[in-house]
Amino acid sequence: GAGVSQSPSNKVTEKGKDVELRCDPISGHTALYWYRQSLGQGLEFLIYFQGNSAPDKSGLPSDRFSAERTGGSVSTLTIQRTQQEDSAVYLCASTYGGNTEAFFGQGTRLTVV
Amino acid sequence: AQSVSQHNHHVILSEAASLELGCNYSYGGTVNLFWYVQYPGQHLQLLLKYFSGDPLVKGIKGFEAEFIKSKFSFNLRKPSVQWSDTAEYFCAVNAYSSASKIIFGSGTRLSIRP
Repeated sequence: GAGVSQSPSNKVTEKGKDVELRCDPISGHTALYWYRQSLGQGLEFLIYFQGNSAPDKSGLPSDRFSAERTGGSVSTLTIQRTQQEDSAVYLCASTYGGNTEAFFGQGTRLTVV
Repeated sequence: AQSVSQHNHHVILSEAASLELGCNYSYGGTVNLFWYVQYPGQHLQLLLKYFSGDPLVKGIKGFEAEFIKSKFSFNLRKPSVQWSDTAEYFCAVNAYSSASKIIFGSGTRLSIRP
């Protein structure tokens, strides 16, 4: 596609429910990132997929968070048993290779009530 | 592992003032460096990048940044800011390799008084 697409753009969920956030990277991009942006906290790295390599999951804050990337394209970030502290904007980005800039989606604003 | 520090959390300037936002990174090897901007209500977009070559990099909208390897710094500058530069600015780094993640700083919020 023309850009990185994320859905939904907004999600309100009740505490304890599971949520799935979707990212469609730019066609042909081999690397995909998930970041979390909280008020005043900058961009927190969550997970990084690069080609067929094992994903770098070092930024996932707890085992309630997981992500997968199917067919080297679309990615889903899953948060189980959501907590209020999970409320944030979740950003997806993709790059063409390891030494290029990242292109970002508009993000999914998650609110846990 | 690499990390990025942005010294200023919130900078307030008047129009036409000069701007310099600090960015330091920690990594001993070769790096790629980026500045991204996020205008209110918009997605993150690239301002400029450094991969190699001339350490003085020019980006969009009159911004530039200088890579000083000895200081592990990549400060962002603009000689004369405009009200439309109000945004959040993020410095980012990744290690020069084929499989290195991009790490971002905590961001600097820039407010320009008209």
